[in-house]
Amino acid sequence: ETGVTQTPRHLVMGMTNKKSLKCEQHLGHNAMYWYKQSAKKPLELMFVYNFKEQTENNSVPSRFSPECPNSSHLFLHLHTLQPEDSALYLCASRPSGGGTDTQYFGPGTRLTVL
Amino acid sequence: SQQGEEDPQALSIQEGENATMNCSYKTSINNLQWYRQNSGRGLVHLILIRSNEREKHSGRLRVTLDTSKKSSSLLITASRAADTASYFCAPFHSNYQLIWGAGTKLIIKP
Repeated sequence: ETGVTQTPRHLVMGMTNKKSLKCEQHLGHNAMYWYKQSAKKPLELMFVYNFKEQTENNSVPSRFSPECPNSSHLFLHLHTLQPEDSALYLCASRPSGGGTDTQYFGPGTRLTVL
Repeated sequence: SQQGEEDPQALSIQEGENATMNCSYKTSINNLQWYRQNSGRGLVHLILIRSNEREKHSGRLRVTLDTSKKSSSLLITASRAADTASYFCAPFHSNYQLIWGAGTKLIIKP
């Protein structure tokens, strides 16, 4: 248990659905990340938030829309996804500053797009 | 590509043997981290080695770093079945991002 939770753990959706992934951390961290992990590929950084401000958007298609209402919560809103978007979506958090570069990961949401 | 690249891609050994995984990267780094991922789960931080360190130990883990060769190795001694997982190296780049590879899948046979 790392202190980062993600819901739901599994999600199956059609290409026309709209759904949201939720991430919550209770570690007092100020930086939060969304990653996409596809089979046999490196982790792909999608979005980074520092103190609720988006500091990185790694050329992610607009069908993925992040939201960070406060430092403890991070959402990923999904709409009109494609089958190739099926993957494990991981949320991570990290303390900002203080020289600690370790990231703490949630268990992930396994997304299947039909 | 700035990825950390792990080698080998897969490794299968007998329980009790030592497992060695290697990592190479391309750019200057502040530190390099190793993470473990059990199947379909999130990643767990194992150990961090700073750019001015050459070797670091944590329990059965030993990490080395050679900045001149831009490479690192992770040694797991006296492997156990519970060590079965994927292992990732993540060089921490100066732009404050971790650069991920595809990982080494380690299988420990009983």
